[in-house]
Amino acid sequence: DAGITQSPRYKITETGRQVTLMCHQTWSHSYMFWYRQDLGHGLRLIYYSAAADITDKGEVPDGYVVSRSKTENFPLTLESATRSQTSVYFCASSWEREDYEQYFGPGTRLTVT
Amino acid sequence: SQQGEEDPQALSIQEGENATMNCSYKTSINNLQWYRQNSGRGLVHLILIRSNEREKHSGRLRVTLDTSKKSSSLLITASRAADTASYFCATDAGRTDKLIFGTGTRLQVFP
Repeated sequence: DAGITQSPRYKITETGRQVTLMCHQTWSHSYMFWYRQDLGHGLRLIYYSAAADITDKGEVPDGYVVSRSKTENFPLTLESATRSQTSVYFCASSWEREDYEQYFGPGTRLTVT
Repeated sequence: SQQGEEDPQALSIQEGENATMNCSYKTSINNLQWYRQNSGRGLVHLILIRSNEREKHSGRLRVTLDTSKKSSSLLITASRAADTASYFCATDAGRTDKLIFGTGTRLQVFP
């Protein structure tokens, strides 16, 4: 089906473990984004990508790694999960930078114990 | 820090009433967007208004933009219970690749 999907939808992991959250979009959008949503903070940008093999840091990139070898995929890896990374993570995509609207995935709820 | 700040943080109204939410931002923008988030779901784009526009309509939604005051408002007319959600403004903070979201207004519409 067309759209933007995230997997897993729910994940519980232990402190120190590596976790990868997947994001896949079928529109061939150039831009993809990863946000985290925490109570009281709204959405904060972690990383974004303007095209395959082009990524850049957002507001809160520490502790996260991204890659984008294919246009449609934008995985987010927590190299060594910490409790402060417990959050809801949203992936989004958009056609272009100019006058763009972003299309959001359903989110991944991550709990780090 | 957030570029956009919504006001109020929470709003409760009865069905049929109008709901007004405000957004203030800090730096110059090219455009401002409003998004809705239903509980447990991703954000959905509602409307985009450019810096050279003052007002825009989409169905029951009316958005205004005052660049001199660095503020925007979202009006939902004749609200319905299905409008219950959180509403976020997002700005591009000038010519950047990124959107910066506010902390949102939680709207509760009672039947």
